Amino acid sequence: DGGITQSPKYLFRKEGQNVTLSCEQNLNHDAMYWYRQDPGQGLRLIYYSQIVNDFQKGDIAEGYSVSREKKESFPLTVTSAQKNPTAFYLCASSSGTGGGNTEAFFGQGTRLTVV
Amino acid sequence: GQNIDQPTEMTATEGAIVQINCTYQTSGFNGLFWYQQHAGEAPTFLSYNVLDGLEEKGRFSSFLSRSKGYSYLLLKELQMKDSASYLCAVITTDSWGKLQFGAGTQVVVTP
Repeated sequence: DGGITQSPKYLFRKEGQNVTLSCEQNLNHDAMYWYRQDPGQGLRLIYYSQIVNDFQKGDIAEGYSVSREKKESFPLTVTSAQKNPTAFYLCASSSGTGGGNTEAFFGQGTRLTVV
Repeated sequence: GQNIDQPTEMTATEGAIVQINCTYQTSGFNGLFWYQQHAGEAPTFLSYNVLDGLEEKGRFSSFLSRSKGYSYLLLKELQMKDSASYLCAVITTDSWGKLQFGAGTQVVVTP
């Protein structure tokens, strides 16, 4: 089945540690996105990528890093520089680069908690 | 940048109709999406508008006016399962496909 997969579903991190959230899609989509969602709030864009080996900062990129070495994969690293990392993280992918019907499909999310 | 505004919360009774408004300010507009999100779950796609007018899909309809920077999502014959957050999102061409979301509108359906 085609889809977008995030792992793990739940992740606990000690303060000062870096952690990497996985996002894989087999939809042959060019565009991939990472969003952060805090309780009762909307989605805020962290990073996005329209093509392999290229990515752009979103609105809240500080304390995060990404890579796009393969079309299928867009991992997000939450670094120790991120002061308040506890949140729900959503990865999405879409087929277009801004034209036409570029519906985004979402993974099931990773809930990160700092302990 | 983009400003996308939606009401925070709306309450309606089962069987009624609710209209969720979304206003946006952006350049290079290339489409507006509506998503539904239940608590703790991923958003699911509801509709896409790029031209002015109304798109109807069963109980849900979405309207767009590009000149006014305005859209609404209309939910008819409300059911309890429609209690969720509804997210408006805009995609533009000048930021190379950047997809940005509003804060979402929490719809509470009461018996």
